[in-house]
Amino acid sequence: DAKTTQPPSMDCAEGRAANLPCNHSTISGNEYVYWYRQIHSQGPQYIIHGLKNNETNEMASLIITEDRKSSTLILPHATLRDTAVYYCIVSVRDGGATNKLIFGTGTLLAVQP
Amino acid sequence: DVKVTQSSRYLVKRTGEKVFLECVQDMDHENMFWYRQDPGLGLRLIYFSYDVKMKEKGDIPEGYSVSREKKERFSLILESASTNQTSMYLCASSLLGGSSNQPQHFGDGTRLSIL
Repeated sequence: DAKTTQPPSMDCAEGRAANLPCNHSTISGNEYVYWYRQIHSQGPQYIIHGLKNNETNEMASLIITEDRKSSTLILPHATLRDTAVYYCIVSVRDGGATNKLIFGTGTLLAVQP
Repeated sequence: DVKVTQSSRYLVKRTGEKVFLECVQDMDHENMFWYRQDPGLGLRLIYFSYDVKMKEKGDIPEGYSVSREKKERFSLILESASTNQTSMYLCASSLLGGSSNQPQHFGDGTRLSIL
């Protein structure tokens, strides 16, 4: 079962920041939070991941609360091409060195013109 | 940029056929994965491999097998295709993380229909 909870859908105006929340209250100390997105008819696209510090890259920022029980993905200036399903995932280590991703149902972000 | 290429975007096969789905990555990644994606069920892991000739079962391996003869190539095999294997199949690859975490990078998927 997915270890995260996300709202099923959100709207955002084009050019504004999109803030996508995620709850992961049962996260373990060595589990990472990953964000992916999936545009219709394409494979999931990696966005960003983090452990406990906030992270930023060219696509987005990831804000993780101090207790690590929730996080927010921020797209600073949303465009129509950012319309997609966004998945928040807690990475589960599969015994060895391979991290399994367990996808939930995600948040459908609709960017409005 | 990481490139994961799946051999077909769309494929139609008949019940009972042996079906091969091919995936190639160009980033020298150790790990490779096969998922299927179905409406309402999300992505589910079928098999993964962390090295050549090595394979591990995922959550739904029944009815599937895999082959990894070369590092860059990971094949998913439907031994005798059935209609309940109609799905979107996604391949992914990642570096071997060790103590750190390495993101998985996905191909664009193969939409397989079994008639």
